Amino acid sequence: GAVVSQHPSWVICKSGTSVKIECRSLDFQATTMFWYRQFPKQSLMLMATSNEGSKATYEQGVEKDKFLINHASLTLSTLTVTSAHPEDSSFYICSAVTSGNGELFFGEGSRLTVL
Amino acid sequence: AQSVTQLDSHVSVSEGTPVLLRCNYSSSYSPSLFWYVQHPNKGLQLLLKYTSAATLVKGINGFEAEFKKSETSFHLTKPSAHMSDAAEYFCVVTPNSGGYQKVTFGIGTKLQVIP
Repeated sequence: GAVVSQHPSWVICKSGTSVKIECRSLDFQATTMFWYRQFPKQSLMLMATSNEGSKATYEQGVEKDKFLINHASLTLSTLTVTSAHPEDSSFYICSAVTSGNGELFFGEGSRLTVL
Repeated sequence: AQSVTQLDSHVSVSEGTPVLLRCNYSSSYSPSLFWYVQHPNKGLQLLLKYTSAATLVKGINGFEAEFKKSETSFHLTKPSAHMSDAAEYFCVVTPNSGGYQKVTFGIGTKLQVIP
């Protein structure tokens, strides 16, 4: 099946720094990718929808200047957590929709720890 | 609009006994339904999916689910639980149409397998 790769799988950073997480569709083109955040012992919460070549659509309550999303190509979307703080520590997961039959595939997630 | 309800936040079974994880959905359009499994600190792994083909769907690791439109259900079952099945399970619904799609997650069901 299709593969979505996230990198890095885990990252530790100092408070105030920025962290970039990549989401790649390895063997298909994805016009739409989604970014989720998972709080401990909770389900995934959609943060934003990333469309290739256009601005991301953010869910209510998600700071777009805090969580920068770029979908520069049909196989890559990036999430940058700017000026990270400890409360941004979380598990971030992306998913990608195949442009053909609209199937959904998830990355394996990236665990961010902000010290 | 769409929603998904996982009726049990926690299910506990003995090893070797059947597993039933319940999921009900609502959707104003024809849905695609998925079950994902998440082991601790891991991403989501697709167990199985229903996309308007056969209503009884077989997935990996012996899991299967039956789409029942009249009951708006998509319950996940396995005849005999294994210790390695202990994990969090998410029921997911998306519109079964091409183009832009949104994903709705259930809150998850934590499966505990007792030796």
